[in-house]
Amino acid sequence: AQSVTQLDSQVPVFEEAPVELRCNYSSSVSVYLFWYVQYPNQGLQLLLKYLSGSTLVKGINGFEAEFNKSQTSFHLRKPSVHISDTAEYFCAVSVFNQAGTALIFGKGTTLSVSS
Amino acid sequence: DAGITQSPRHKVTETGTPVTLRCHQTENHRYMYWYRQDPGHGLRLIHYSYGVKDTDKGEVSDGYSVSRSKTEDFLLTLESATSSQTSVYFCAISEPPGLAFGELFFGEGSRLTVL
Repeated sequence: AQSVTQLDSQVPVFEEAPVELRCNYSSSVSVYLFWYVQYPNQGLQLLLKYLSGSTLVKGINGFEAEFNKSQTSFHLRKPSVHISDTAEYFCAVSVFNQAGTALIFGKGTTLSVSS
Repeated sequence: DAGITQSPRHKVTETGTPVTLRCHQTENHRYMYWYRQDPGHGLRLIHYSYGVKDTDKGEVSDGYSVSRSKTEDFLLTLESATSSQTSVYFCAISEPPGLAFGELFFGEGSRLTVL
């Protein structure tokens, strides 16, 4: 069964510093991988996705992620963070079955950016 | 923004009472989902629907039931609420081919407190 592990529950960083949020997945089949972001008191929105092809994917707000099949990882990175990036970030994997498709989410990583 | 409305947005109830949360969409999307979000657990899938009257269980379906009699409405019912069901509940929608790409659109959440 597919699953997702986010290795850090909280990541504090200073403004303009680089950041990496780590995500490992478990699956015996090909996967689609995603990062979602949740700003305070809001629902989630898609940040970026890996479906196939280039292992480096770029998303909104300057974020990017690299799919590494040998390490079963999909880490999210940003070279220089802003205060406005403070949010909770979720890694997710698609699950396919006869009834259709659903997303399974990790437990989330809280990114706190301070000045 | 995707046309998703959750109601009520906030509810306080007592143990043992029935509760129904409603998700209404104006996008005519085929797939609808209910997730719950709890600290330390991220988002967990409760139930989902892949068409009118077509539903399936998710990771944490015990104690919950759903119904979808119209494309636009997906109801989540707690037959007898317990304190462990205190949570924030999110509805999400999707439509192929976006669904295959993990593109879920989320509502703003319903905060339920069971005393």
